[in-house]
Amino acid sequence: EAQVTQNPRYLITVTGKKLTVTCSQNMNHEYMSWYRQDPGLGLRQIYYSMNVEVTDKGDVPEGYKVSRKEKRNFPLILESPSPNQTSLYFCASRWQGASPLHFGNGTRLTVT
Amino acid sequence: QKEVEQDPGPLSVPEGAIVSLNCTYSNSAFQYFMWYRQYSRKGPELLMYTYSSGNKEDGRFTAQVDKSSKYISLFIRDSQPSDSATYLCAMSASGANNLFFGTGTRLTVIP
Repeated sequence: EAQVTQNPRYLITVTGKKLTVTCSQNMNHEYMSWYRQDPGLGLRQIYYSMNVEVTDKGDVPEGYKVSRKEKRNFPLILESPSPNQTSLYFCASRWQGASPLHFGNGTRLTVT
Repeated sequence: QKEVEQDPGPLSVPEGAIVSLNCTYSNSAFQYFMWYRQYSRKGPELLMYTYSSGNKEDGRFTAQVDKSSKYISLFIRDSQPSDSATYLCAMSASGANNLFFGTGTRLTVIP
């Protein structure tokens, strides 16, 4: 089954404790992206990757890092999480060009 | 001004009703328009995908794009309780790396 898989689904952590949210897709998509979803603000792009070893900032990149060492994986790293990063995070992938995004089922992160 | 505006609702309708969901946008460069459906505790899933102006129909769903008015719509005919979800509009310009999303409209279809 074609899918984008994120782990973990739920994560509670404390301020400053480094964490990684993993994302993997099995559709051989070149493009991958991370979004956060907040009430009243909708989905906002954090980082995206056009292909292996090619990443770029989205609209809200502060406090986040990403890497793309393999085509299928695109982890999101929070080196020093803060409470304002409490949110619902989605990984997504697509073919190059204007094709639609395929989303994972989300990771709900709470930073206390 | 946000790039994409969408009424958050919530919207409650009886089963069988026709539902109209709408978004307006400000960027005239947008050419690709999408509607996503998001169930609770799930990721958004693509419902409709259209290019430029016009209508597209898929079963009970019809997407309309009016570029002259910068206005897009999603119509749901014979709405079902299983249609209860949040509906997100999204759009992008040609060659762009980002999709711009509306904040979503929460729909409840009452049996």
